[in-house]
Amino acid sequence: GEDVEQSLFLSVREGDSSVINCTYTDSSSTYLYWYKQEPGAGLQLLTYIFSNMDMKQDQRLTVLLNKKDKHLSLRIADTQTGDSAIYFCAERGYGQNFVFGPGTRLSVLP
Amino acid sequence: DGGITQSPKYLFRKEGQNVTLSCEQNLNHDAMYWYRQDPGQGLRLIYYSQIVNDFQKGDIAEGYSVSREKKESFPLTVTSAQKNPTAFYLCATWTSGSTDTQYFGPGTRLTVL
Repeated sequence: GEDVEQSLFLSVREGDSSVINCTYTDSSSTYLYWYKQEPGAGLQLLTYIFSNMDMKQDQRLTVLLNKKDKHLSLRIADTQTGDSAIYFCAERGYGQNFVFGPGTRLSVLP
Repeated sequence: DGGITQSPKYLFRKEGQNVTLSCEQNLNHDAMYWYRQDPGQGLRLIYYSQIVNDFQKGDIAEGYSVSREKKESFPLTVTSAQKNPTAFYLCATWTSGSTDTQYFGPGTRLTVL
């Protein structure tokens, strides 16, 4: 079945760049997403990329998609303490169901 | 003010009791979803509904039930048959469009005492 994998933890220093990686198995994925979850809250959409794109940039966020390797990454430039959260990668194939990765807990150290 | 509301934010239940979690939306989205979140496991789909009076089981539907009598509402009942119900429950909606994404409510944390 469909599967999405992420590393569970990442620590970076404030001001450095963070790169969170994700791999997925469904080659028919149409959209891929990055969500952010702060403690005790719901998921907030950060950005998304359509499967026919290689890259998308939105202010401090850069998403890279390697469709051949089924690899997605999220780069956060100039990481701040407010970026500390859990980041989820998700995919949507044809239909209305979504598959989420386990989430990467980003810790930003002062 | 558009959005998704879930109530209550915290819920405590004794073993053997059924409990119902509320999810209401005023986004006019057709599809609604219930997910369960456990630490380190991401989100797992419990039930989803694409239209009123219709719903489908997700990956972990056992011990849960839902109804979809109105477009705006998709309540989830956690029954006594659910063996390990302590978790964080998230409701989401979906609509096709420019972002084609899901929108999430703030969640309900259920603790079984």
